[in-house]
Amino acid sequence: EVVMTQSPATLSVSPGDTATVSCRASHSVTTKIAWYQQRPGQAPRLLIYGASTRATGIPVRFSGSGSGTEFTLTISSLQSEDFSVYYCQQYNYWWTFGQGTKVEVK
Amino acid sequence: QVQLHQSGPGLVKPSQTLSITCAISGDSVSTKSAAWNWIRQSPSRGLEWLGRTYSTSSWSKWKNDYADSVERRIIISADTSRNQFSLQLSSVTPDDTALYFCARDSFTGYFDTWGQGTLVTVSS
Repeated sequence: EVVMTQSPATLSVSPGDTATVSCRASHSVTTKIAWYQQRPGQAPRLLIYGASTRATGIPVRFSGSGSGTEFTLTISSLQSEDFSVYYCQQYNYWWTFGQGTKVEVK
Repeated sequence: QVQLHQSGPGLVKPSQTLSITCAISGDSVSTKSAAWNWIRQSPSRGLEWLGRTYSTSSWSKWKNDYADSVERRIIISADTSRNQFSLQLSSVTPDDTALYFCARDSFTGYFDTWGQGTLVTVSS
């Protein structure tokens, strides 16, 4: 099983600032990683796939990078609706998710 | 626009079978371009992929893949007449208490469409 480890668990950021969420895979997943946003009471929403490709309708302030075992989700100019929980997911070998990072208002 | 709508009971007794259905609109459960998945979420396990079903061109017509953790207890099946698919998880315990989601994967590996979620509590 490929274990996905996210850090930090909680990130305190001021509106308008940049948030950076990290995800590490226990084995190389090449660029087969996706990022999701989950708001309270909702299902996860696909943000990024292929490590860096934004899904349809996702604002340009969301960006992803990395390959192999180290990945980053960057959210620039944080808006109020961006304070949420974010998950990484690998799909190189079956499917596993990170434990989530909560981005909260500082 | 593809939409998934879940239905099913929110309370199941221990040792019984959990059953949830996911109705599809805007796509077909029989499409050769997507797989139909079940994923659950709990504080103890986080997001956990459970399994999927998809239509094939072979004689068997449908193929299923299941997570090792539930392989002996899970059945995912498709109902083409109602354009939906279902999850059955047998012999449930309180550890199966979770928010269950259905989701579509266009054979890309990531989940582009999700159902609204069904909170299932296992309790007597």
